[in-house]
Amino acid sequence: DAMVIQNPRYQVTQFGKPVTLSCSQTLNHNVMYWYQQKSSQAPKLLFHYYDKDFNNEADTPDNFQSRRPNTSFCFLDIRSPGLGDAAMYLCATKDAGETQYFGPGTRLLVL
Amino acid sequence: RKEVEQDPGPFNVPEGATVAFNCTYSNSASQSFFWYRQDCRKEPKLLMSVYSSGNEDGRFTAQLNRASQYISLLIRDSKLSDSATYLCVVGNKAAGNKLTFGGGTRVLVKP
Repeated sequence: DAMVIQNPRYQVTQFGKPVTLSCSQTLNHNVMYWYQQKSSQAPKLLFHYYDKDFNNEADTPDNFQSRRPNTSFCFLDIRSPGLGDAAMYLCATKDAGETQYFGPGTRLLVL
Repeated sequence: RKEVEQDPGPFNVPEGATVAFNCTYSNSASQSFFWYRQDCRKEPKLLMSVYSSGNEDGRFTAQLNRASQYISLLIRDSKLSDSATYLCVVGNKAAGNKLTFGGGTRVLVKP
């Protein structure tokens, strides 16, 4: 059974057209993360929520925003996608332990 | 210097052979260490945590050397299904359990 779910799995958007990626979890974990992974590179942390507390990485562009309306859901909003934002976006969750559980990712294509 | 560095490979391994590779980390305050496996276009999945005493899980053995700041992964009796990218991941509780990923080591097991 899927524990961290990401929708859609593939997203195509136009240059400059806002897009929202979603993540949901059935684990009731209090921490949720968003990573960006470009081809042949390491996943790069964009931000994370500890419960409702939002933690932005210093080098995450303002173009990327996030919302967590409740424990189960977390959204990644890209306000004006550029060609350089094409990547796999990974959502992960964690509880009190150290292990992060990843969703299958959303692959974003910007035309 | 990257926080977590890995040889990108690929390591071409004959089926049944043993392969080993290392990862170095720069932050001496790092407290948790993991190997994740990532298949092409899929999400990272936890392979094993790495403990100070070293640990083994079937054909996989992980070691941690805090003095030299590296961790290693050894795969014995390689199977074709072991072909993947292996991500070295380092965590720091002082930084809110933030995980830092290496760029991955690609392993190709061939018949």
